[in-house]
Amino acid sequence: DQQVKQNSPSLSVQEGRISILNCDYTNSMFDYFLWYKKYPAEGPTFLISISSIKDKNEDGRFTVFLNKSAKHLSLHIVPSQPGDSAVYFCAASARNNAGNMLTFGGGTRLMVKP
Amino acid sequence: GAGVSQSPSNKVTEKGKDVELRCDPISGHTALYWYRQRLGQGLEFLIYFQGNSAPDKSGLPSDRFSAERTGESVSTLTIQRTQQEDSAVYLCASSLVGSGGIQETQYFGPGTRLLVL
Repeated sequence: DQQVKQNSPSLSVQEGRISILNCDYTNSMFDYFLWYKKYPAEGPTFLISISSIKDKNEDGRFTVFLNKSAKHLSLHIVPSQPGDSAVYFCAASARNNAGNMLTFGGGTRLMVKP
Repeated sequence: GAGVSQSPSNKVTEKGKDVELRCDPISGHTALYWYRQRLGQGLEFLIYFQGNSAPDKSGLPSDRFSAERTGESVSTLTIQRTQQEDSAVYLCASSLVGSGGIQETQYFGPGTRLLVL
């Protein structure tokens, strides 16, 4: 039973345009959500996070939106750059529970074309 | 460096052999996690350490897997009698623990790529 799903395995976007990566979750106990970026042969790099008390968090070109009623979050990258090409993982945790282990989605491979 | 480090970066072993993977967390991070990523899949949680508390082993796939952590520093993940399905990237992450025991953002190491022949 996948509690965090990224239904698009890949996404191709033109440089300068907006990239929108989506993530759905099923566990209503999740209250903290993160996006990680992963390049080949490297560990995931933290990108941006959002607490369930917010519906939007912005950091430069990256914005994460959270829709709790729909159990859906999305990552917007604008403008997209070729260096953004990587695999993006959505992750969720229940911070009120001991452990705070992350539950990851399967990832979306983003390709930004020059 | 100030990041999480892992060794070895790559490990090739024969089925049935034991392997030991090492993780050095970021200094001062009391929480340490091990995850596994099989080819084409997302990351799976394996085990969690926090300070001197008993580790959360709920993600370990079998009793062939074990992990230890010395205080708030190095951790080793041991896989005994390796099987081909153990082939994966093993990732370690560490985090601070904030007020109220809330763990902060996890930062990952580069991983150990394990191939069991």
